[in-house]
Amino acid sequence: AQTVTQSQPEMSVQEAETVTLSCTYDTSENNYYLFWYKQPPSRQMILVIRQEAYKQQNATENRFSVNFQKAAKSFSLKISDSQLGDTAMYFCAFMKVNRDDKIIFGKGTRLHILP
Amino acid sequence: DSGVTQTPKHLITATGQRVTLRCSPRSGDLSVYWYQQSLDQGLQFLIQYYNGEERAKGNILERFSAQQFPDLHSELNLSSLELGDSALYFCASSVGVGDLSNQPQHFGDGTRLSIL
Repeated sequence: AQTVTQSQPEMSVQEAETVTLSCTYDTSENNYYLFWYKQPPSRQMILVIRQEAYKQQNATENRFSVNFQKAAKSFSLKISDSQLGDTAMYFCAFMKVNRDDKIIFGKGTRLHILP
Repeated sequence: DSGVTQTPKHLITATGQRVTLRCSPRSGDLSVYWYQQSLDQGLQFLIQYYNGEERAKGNILERFSAQQFPDLHSELNLSSLELGDSALYFCASSVGVGDLSNQPQHFGDGTRLSIL
């Protein structure tokens, strides 16, 4: 069974700083997807970024980028120039490409951006 | 706005009761997923439907059931409710299944279920 581990339950950084959220996963699959979802206080689940396992190049979306280390099964999220609106719960998630498309989520990291 | 609509937003009921949560997927999406977010279990996949057929099952209790109708909306039925069923229930939808090259799962805003 696949598992996703986020070792940082909570983090705080000053506005405009760069922050990195850690995520490791365990799978025997070779073909899969990894995601970071953001859940602000409004409780919506917002897809921040995704990475296809077969792609070596790390995904980037504006201020958000990932460091995908397939051999180490590591998938960290870097937020550059952090903003107050980045305050949220961040979930790392895994999905294998197979008959079932369920997403497996980590427990989340609560990120506070301080003014 | 993800385009996925969940109703109601909040639901308060008592133990032993039965409730129905409703989800309308984004226009054009054939696949619907249900997830439960609770404090102790985190976010867990419950069940998935694709074009009216059950496709995958997760940690869904026997007291829970779901279905997807011909118009593609889905309902999650929760019966014999217990205090531990209090949670945020999300519905997500995607265009199809398998290849995700341009088909992420879009989440609704959730239904918060409180059991008293």
